[in-house]
Amino acid sequence: AQSVAQPEDQVNVAEGNPLTVKCTYSVSGNPYLFWYVQYPNRGLQFLLKYITGDNLVKGSYGFEAEFNKSQTSFHLKKPSALVSDSALYFCAVRDKDNAGNMLTFGGGTRLMVKP
Amino acid sequence: GAGVSQSPRYKVAKRGQDVALRCDPISGHVSLFWYQQALGQGPEFLTYFQNEAQLDKSGLPSDRFFAERPEGSVSTLKIQRTQQEDSAVYLCASSLYRLAEGGTQYFGPGTRLLVL
Repeated sequence: AQSVAQPEDQVNVAEGNPLTVKCTYSVSGNPYLFWYVQYPNRGLQFLLKYITGDNLVKGSYGFEAEFNKSQTSFHLKKPSALVSDSALYFCAVRDKDNAGNMLTFGGGTRLMVKP
Repeated sequence: GAGVSQSPRYKVAKRGQDVALRCDPISGHVSLFWYQQALGQGPEFLTYFQNEAQLDKSGLPSDRFFAERPEGSVSTLKIQRTQQEDSAVYLCASSLYRLAEGGTQYFGPGTRLLVL
């Protein structure tokens, strides 16, 4: 079975500081990894994904994530946080080697950026 | 371009009532997914369509839940005899590619269902 863990319910950071939102995963094969962001009363917006290739993935709004196979992690990062980045962030995984597997989401991490 | 749209955005139902939730995917997208998101949790998979074929319905919580996509575009999720535990946000997502090709899923705004 595949699973995702987001160990922090909430991350607080001051505007202008770097931010990290943690994600670890478990799959039996190789992973497809995704980050989505959810604003209040909105659906999930795609930020970035890792499929193959370069371990550092760059996405929308200045976000990036690093795939670390040995640590089974895919942490989301941004060099300088904005107040408008405050939202709920979800990490998701699919097992690339099991074609029938669906996308499994973590429980979400609320990011609070304070001015 | 137009994204995934869902209607209604909000639905209040009395326990025992039937409801129908609609999803309009991005035009041309092959794959369509339904998810259920309980308050404070991540989305959980309900069912998957490739064009008009429902290839996976393993996530549907009971036989009261039924989904269809008869012409391979618009989809409807129907819940019969609603129960309070059905209260959640129902999200629809679509993808240009088949599931096995690993395409990105694009989500609609969701339908928030409250069963009283």
